[in-house]
Amino acid sequence: GQQVMQIPQYQHVQEGEDFTTYCNSSTTLSNIQWYKQRPGGHPVFLIQLVKSGEVKKQKRLTFQFGEAKKNSSLHITATQTTDVGTYFCAGSGGSNYKLTFGKGTLLTVNP
Amino acid sequence: EAGVTQSPTHLIKTRGQQVTLRCSPISGHTSVYWYQQALGLGLQFLLWYDEGEERNRGNFPPRFSGRQFPNYSSELNVNALELEDSALYLCASSLGRVSETQYFGPGTRLLVL
Repeated sequence: GQQVMQIPQYQHVQEGEDFTTYCNSSTTLSNIQWYKQRPGGHPVFLIQLVKSGEVKKQKRLTFQFGEAKKNSSLHITATQTTDVGTYFCAGSGGSNYKLTFGKGTLLTVNP
Repeated sequence: EAGVTQSPTHLIKTRGQQVTLRCSPISGHTSVYWYQQALGLGLQFLLWYDEGEERNRGNFPPRFSGRQFPNYSSELNVNALELEDSALYLCASSLGRVSETQYFGPGTRLLVL
C-alpha cells in the first residue's frame, strides 16, 4: 500500500534559524497536504499542493511539490517560537482515495 | 461556523471494557474520518465514512468499528479494550472525497488501565 515517509522525526533549532522537513511517497500522489499540530492541540490544515513542481508560500513558510509528485518539502525561514509543533504531510493517490499521513516532524525552537 | 466537535474530551477505561466516541462534522461536510494518535506513532488512519457508508478502513482489528448517521455525525466503537488502545482519537471531516482538506476536531483522549 501507499506509504508516506517524513524526515527528520525531530528537529531542534535556535530561534532565527531555518527549518526544513521532507516528505516522500512510495507512489505518485494526486495531491499533498501539510498540517501543523501544536503541542496538546489537533492537526490544522496549512496548505494543499496539486501540480507537479508547484511552489506555494505563506509568509515565512515555503511548500514544494516535486516534479514526479512523489515528494514534498516544507521550509520555514527564520523560525520563531510560535513555529513550535509537529508538521505532518499527507498524501492522496491511487484508487482508494485514502489520505496517508507521514509520521510528522516535531520542531522545537530555542528562544 | 462551528468546527468539528468530539465527545467526550477525556475517558478512562479498564482492559476489556467497551467505549464509544462521538463526532459531529462541520455543517455541510459528508465525510468523516477517524484517526488514532498514540504517543510517538503519528496519525494512524482508522476509518472513513461518507454518505453513511464505510468507504475505507485502516489496518486495525475488527474490534474497532463505527458508523455514520443520516445527519453525518459518527461514532467510533472499540470493544475489548487493550492497554495499547490508549491514545488520542481524532475525528476529521471534509466536503467529500478524501483528497479534500480535512478539518480536525479536538480529539478524545482515551486512557486504558
